[in-house]
Amino acid sequence: EAQVTQNPRYLITVTGKKLTVTCSQNMNHEYMSWYRQDPGLGLRQIYYSMNVEVTDKGDVPEGYKVSRKEKRNFPLILESPSPNQTSLYFCASSTGGLGGSGETQYFGPGTRLLVL
Amino acid sequence: QKEVEQNSGPLSVPEGAIASLNCTYSDRGSQSFFWYRQYSGKSPELIMSIYSNGDKEDGRFTAQLNKASQYVSLLIRDSQPSDSATYLCAVNTENNDMRFGAGTRLTVKP
Repeated sequence: EAQVTQNPRYLITVTGKKLTVTCSQNMNHEYMSWYRQDPGLGLRQIYYSMNVEVTDKGDVPEGYKVSRKEKRNFPLILESPSPNQTSLYFCASSTGGLGGSGETQYFGPGTRLLVL
Repeated sequence: QKEVEQNSGPLSVPEGAIASLNCTYSDRGSQSFFWYRQYSGKSPELIMSIYSNGDKEDGRFTAQLNKASQYVSLLIRDSQPSDSATYLCAVNTENNDMRFGAGTRLTVKP
């Protein structure tokens, strides 16, 4: 089954404790992206990757890191989480760039993070 | 700041009516436009994409794009209770980053 998986689905942590949210897709997609969703603010892009070893900042990259060493995986790293990073996080992938390619972006199930 | 704006709603329509959802965007260089549906507690799913001015129809859904007015809309004909969800407008800017609106919550009443 074609899908985007994220782990963990739910996470409660404390300020300053490094954490990683994993994202994996089995569709051989080149493009992957991370978003956070907050009430009243909608989805905001954190980082995206057009291909292996190519990553770019989105709208709200501060406090986050990503890496793209393999095509299928795109982990999101919070080196020192803070309470303002409490949010719902989504990973997404598509076959290519979204500039007129007509490609569907597939979203993972989401990771709900609470930073105390 | 490049933004995508939508009315937050809630928008309530009776079953069988046409629901009209609107979105404006600020980045004039944007080329790709998308409508996603998100049920409560679920991830967004793409329902329509549009790239050129005019209308694009897919079943009960019609997307409309007017680049001169920087406006994109979604019409849902014969609305069903199962269409009740939050609808997200998304725009791929000329810098190739995706910008989403905050979403419009639609309720279709039986």
